[in-house]
Amino acid sequence: AQSVSQHNHHVILSEAASLELGCNYSYGGTVNLFWYVQYPGQHLQLLLKYFSGDPLVKGIKGFEAEFIKSKFSFNLRKPSVQWSDTAEYFCAVTISGGYNKLIFGAGTRLAVHP
Amino acid sequence: GAVVSQHPSRVICKSGTSVKIECRSLDFQATTMFWYRQFPKQSLMLMATSNEGSKATYEQGVEKDKFLINHASLTLSTLTVTSAHPEDSSFYICSALRDRGLNTEAFFGQGTRLTVV
Repeated sequence: AQSVSQHNHHVILSEAASLELGCNYSYGGTVNLFWYVQYPGQHLQLLLKYFSGDPLVKGIKGFEAEFIKSKFSFNLRKPSVQWSDTAEYFCAVTISGGYNKLIFGAGTRLAVHP
Repeated sequence: GAVVSQHPSRVICKSGTSVKIECRSLDFQATTMFWYRQFPKQSLMLMATSNEGSKATYEQGVEKDKFLINHASLTLSTLTVTSAHPEDSSFYICSALRDRGLNTEAFFGQGTRLTVV
């Protein structure tokens, strides 16, 4: 079955540190890839998405992600985190196009200390 | 971004009773909505796809008679957990699809924490 793996369950960083959250998926066909963020007490929000084209995708709040097809990866990065980035981050993939059957990773809880 | 409202945010019910959870798209129409279930420290698991005016499509292993989904209008989908049992206690999240071609995006509700006692 298709799956999404997020290797880091908890990440703790100091402000201004660089961030990279890993995401790997298992599916050999065409995929659409997403990163969502959930701030404490709030809804899931879309950070960025990849459908096609440039594999380096820039999202909101300074986040970016790179799709590496050969590695089945879509890692999320931010060069300098802020305390306000404290949240839970979910990687997700659809395998049938569009938004059908979004498959989520388990999430990574990020805590940024001032 | 667009707003999806889920109600209630928390509910406690007795074993054997039914609970209805509402998911509303407040500022757009959604022909497609999704219902997820999230266990502690685990992924969001898709339960079913709710299509306005037609029957929901359930994922494998999800009991359609236990988790009744109704999508009677373009802005409202409901999930009813029938004859709830403690093992149904979980966090339920809905999302609504705003269909705008290449800018199609799913917006999520804030979730409903169901506790069955």
